[in-house]
Formats: sequence, structure tokens, C-alpha cells
Amino acid sequence: QKEVEQDPGPLSVPEGAIVSLNCTYSNSAFQYFMWYRQYSRKGPELLMYTYSSGNKEDGRFTAQVDKSSKYISLFIRDSQPSDSATYLCAMSASGGGADGLTFGKGTHLIIQP
Amino acid sequence: DSGVTQTPKHLITATGQRVTLRCSPRSGDLSVYWYQQSLDQGLQFLIQYYNGEERAKGNILERFSAQQFPDLHSELNLSSLELGDSALYFCASTAGLWDGYTFGSGTRLTVV
Repeated sequence: QKEVEQDPGPLSVPEGAIVSLNCTYSNSAFQYFMWYRQYSRKGPELLMYTYSSGNKEDGRFTAQVDKSSKYISLFIRDSQPSDSATYLCAMSASGGGADGLTFGKGTHLIIQP
Repeated sequence: DSGVTQTPKHLITATGQRVTLRCSPRSGDLSVYWYQQSLDQGLQFLIQYYNGEERAKGNILERFSAQQFPDLHSELNLSSLELGDSALYFCASTAGLWDGYTFGSGTRLTVV
């Protein structure tokens, strides 16, 4: 079993829909959780990060962490075609990612105009 | 532009050869991380340097090495290259406090 599991998709939704992206993990030491967005042929871009369990909202994006279930989610409201990209979850046991981040393989999201 | 500069953008080389990838971190960032991204493995952490010193190692092969220079730029050296080393290699930097990584645009390595 991989440390971080993420459905590769593709996930195709119409413009304006609410998108739900998820990751599960097995390492209970993970405390820092991140979501990155990666456009084709570009480096990942940090969208959200949270510490421990709970919710965090930033504009159209909401990140949720449920450590008891080892499950994290990213919600995108009012999705736009420009949101079409690969979304990567990432996790770390230490602050600052000093031991490196463990990434999911990414979910390819397509927003249909 | 993320502020993290990686060169070259593309590299094609033959098996058995050695290459050097270069990374200039965002201004003020002391930590540099190297990651490898392949289709089957996803993004894998290779190694971290902080202010010139190695801080953490991930899944880095013995054929690979890195260093960070006094001006804080970093180089990743890949030797005895194999077909399976073909991948995107990303550099990321942070200021040292947890503010998330800033990734460069990567170097696409193709080993033929």
C-alpha cells in the first residue's frame, strides 16, 4: 500500500460545478497537509496548506483534513476552465517539510466550458 | 515566474553519461529541495539542502548527488544514466519557515 493514494482521474465536470478532490494516507505521523496545482509542463504551485485536522478556506478553495480517517479533501467552488490542471496532495510529518513531502500521484481535473 | 530558476529546461543524453542540473532558489530562500517526477512514481523527494548543508535525504540513488554553493544555488548531478532516469526534475525552495515550497519549472531529462 502506497503512503498516499489519490485517484488519477481524469475528473471532468461542467463549468460552475463544485469539485471534490480527495486523498487517503496511511502514515499517522503526517501533520502538515498541502494541495498543489500543476499545469502541463509547469512546476507545482501551492494552493492550500493546513496543519492537523480541520478546515481552511481561501477564496473558492476549501481544504479539509480528517486525521481520524486519514482523509483529506480539496473543494473548488464555481469551477472555471482555468482550474483545469492536475491537483496533487502532499503531506509531511515535520514542519517546514524538512523530511521532504510525500505526494499523491495527482488527479487530472478537466472543467468543461 | 515563481522566482526559482532551473536550467536547462530540456536535456537529452545517452545512457551511461553524466549530467548536471542547476537550480537558483527564490531570493532569500535558504532551503533547496530536489524532486523527481515520473509517470509511474509521481513526485519523489530526493534531497534537501539548507544554507549549504545537506539536511534530509529521500529516495535518492547512489548514482545521484547534489550540493548547495555559498551563493545558495544548487546542482544535482546524475551519473551512469539509465533509461529509467528519464523524468522531470524539479527544484523547490523555502525561506526556512513553513511557508510552503516554491517550485521551479523543472528540467526534462530524456535518456536515450
